Amino acid sequence: NAGVTQTPKFRVLKTGQSMTLLCAQDMNHEYMYWYRQDPGMGLRLIHYSVGEGTTAKGEVPDGYNVSRLKKQNFLLGLESAAPSQTSVYFCASSPRVTGANVLTFGAGSRLTVL
Amino acid sequence: GQNIDQPTEMTATEGAIVQINCTYQTSGFNGLFWYQQHAGEAPTFLSYNVLDGLEEKGRFSSFLSRSKGYSYLLLKELQMKDSASYLCAVSDSNYQLIWGAGTKLIIKP
Repeated sequence: NAGVTQTPKFRVLKTGQSMTLLCAQDMNHEYMYWYRQDPGMGLRLIHYSVGEGTTAKGEVPDGYNVSRLKKQNFLLGLESAAPSQTSVYFCASSPRVTGANVLTFGAGSRLTVL
Repeated sequence: GQNIDQPTEMTATEGAIVQINCTYQTSGFNGLFWYQQHAGEAPTFLSYNVLDGLEEKGRFSSFLSRSKGYSYLLLKELQMKDSASYLCAVSDSNYQLIWGAGTKLIIKP
């Protein structure tokens, strides 16, 4: 049981390049999330999904796109990377949104944009 | 606006007790979470409070006062492995999690 798996773990991009972060979960969770974590700030929600084929914007969605074609996968895309997108990105999943929706996080993807 | 406040850093001694406070102002309340995050790793769930009072789980306890918008995480018998950041998060009226910036706990021998 792997839980939540993110790839890649590290990536360096040049400004203007594009890339996709992959997230896979094997817990049959309905909900999946992409967060970014920056020094001195709380986790900020980028986009989330409440089920296969559905996505929604979070707190900081600009510059990112997502897709959830399969229940177990949630992809985060950067179409034209900017230095402000240098961050650690965490994917998470949870079985439901009401009550104690405990999130299970992936190990994180550290992205540097030069 | 919505806001979660917790101290940036705390230091404690191995074997001692430490209390990490969290105050919040959110639009609605559907529970408060504490997560632990070791450096370079993912956050992991510690506790959940939705009713006032103290929840005890081994060496860790979490307290909630909804009327005061206040919670604390109490860690007893501190061990070196407890050195980590502790994240407070509140589920708001839309069940979205609002996160504090985290408290870095340093344990000294």
